[in-house]
Amino acid sequence: KNQVEQSPQSLIILEGKNCTLQCNYTVSPFSNLRWYKQDTGRGPVSLTIMTFSENTKSNGRYTATLDADTKQSSLHITASQLSDSASYICVVSDQTGANNLFFGTGTRLTVIP
Amino acid sequence: DAGITQSPRHKVTETGTPVTLRCHQTENHRYMYWYRQDPGHGLRLIHYSYGVKDTDKGEVSDGYSVSRSKTEDFLLTLESATSSQTSVYFCAIRGRAGGNTGELFFGEGSRLTVL
Repeated sequence: KNQVEQSPQSLIILEGKNCTLQCNYTVSPFSNLRWYKQDTGRGPVSLTIMTFSENTKSNGRYTATLDADTKQSSLHITASQLSDSASYICVVSDQTGANNLFFGTGTRLTVIP
Repeated sequence: DAGITQSPRHKVTETGTPVTLRCHQTENHRYMYWYRQDPGHGLRLIHYSYGVKDTDKGEVSDGYSVSRSKTEDFLLTLESATSSQTSVYFCAIRGRAGGNTGELFFGEGSRLTVL
């Protein structure tokens, strides 16, 4: 069964600290993985996409990694800011069709001053 | 800004009443989607459309219908709302990147409460 699991469910960190969010998947055949950020009361917004051949990709203070062998991805946030408080959702696509997307339940990050 | 607007943004209704949510896009994208988001669940696909009058069911389509008579509008209808349909509903469009790598652009969501 194709699944996407994220950990931790929630996380509280101090402003300025780093953190890492995890995404494990069983989706096969794998096509790509996206990380989305969802602010409270808003729709998700894509942060980055990882394809099979990519190991690391950065978007400002966000760095995503992908290990296609172990089917794991991580999202590392450096020097956190209050505006990073949001839910982060991992979404995995398989190769069978444009609409086969598998969503994780998200990690709720709270950055406190 | 992907030019997606959802209406209404908030609605409270009673069990058994019909409800229609509207999604409007200005970017002429082919693929449009309706998702629901509930605590403890990831976003779940209700229905999607791949063109005018071309729609298909998603994972949780029971109790919902959709229509797409124009490229820019995708309507989600609850024929007879139930309390289990209390949720936040998101419309999304798919970006034009090749294959299935296209980014999803989401609307702001429509919060529906069924009493």
